Amino acid sequence: EIVMTQSPATLSVSPGEGATLSCRASQSIRSFLAWYQQKPGQAPRLLIYGASTRATGTPARFSGSGSGTDFTLTISSLQSEDFALYYCQQYDRWPITFGQGTRLEIK
Amino acid sequence: EVHLVESGGGSVQPGGSLRLSCAASGFTFSSYGTTWVRQAPGKGLEWVSAISSSGVSTYYADSVKGRFTISRDNSKNTLYLQMNSLRAEDTAVYHCAKKADDGLNLYYFDSWGQGTLVTVSS
Repeated sequence: EIVMTQSPATLSVSPGEGATLSCRASQSIRSFLAWYQQKPGQAPRLLIYGASTRATGTPARFSGSGSGTDFTLTISSLQSEDFALYYCQQYDRWPITFGQGTRLEIK
Repeated sequence: EVHLVESGGGSVQPGGSLRLSCAASGFTFSSYGTTWVRQAPGKGLEWVSAISSSGVSTYYADSVKGRFTISRDNSKNTLYLQMNSLRAEDTAVYHCAKKADDGLNLYYFDSWGQGTLVTVSS
């Protein structure tokens, strides 16, 4: 199974600043990577697929990059509603696997 | 608008069984693969199982293979997860989710239900 490793586990950032979240796959997943946002008590929400394509409704301040094994989710100018948990998911091979998540918290 | 509503969760003793349901609306259910993803209390997302739009193809995580069975009834717009031989480590909120509309056989998920809680404890 492909292991997805996210870093850091927790990221403390001030509103208005930018944030960079990382996700690494244990083997190449080409560009078959999705990012999700989850807020407390809510279901996950798809943000990015294909490593860099924003899903419908995802604000332009969210951008994804990478291919192969190393991926990045960048959020420019953090808004209050962006402080949440973020998960990456590979869908290149079965079984589907998620990273353990990065908690983005207000500094 | 897509709606996915899970039901069937509850408390069960180790070794017991439960059947989860996910009622879908707002889209052509029979055209989309669907999945179950669980989240243990305070933990991250864990993919459990997926099924193709027709129900012909099914996929399972190793942790549930042989104990859980995914199925669907396209005439009822409903997804199911039969869970047998339940263990304490199966305790989690179980979400159903719809495969994204990309026209390809790529399983990432653009709509999710709120989930149903399964608690396995003696």
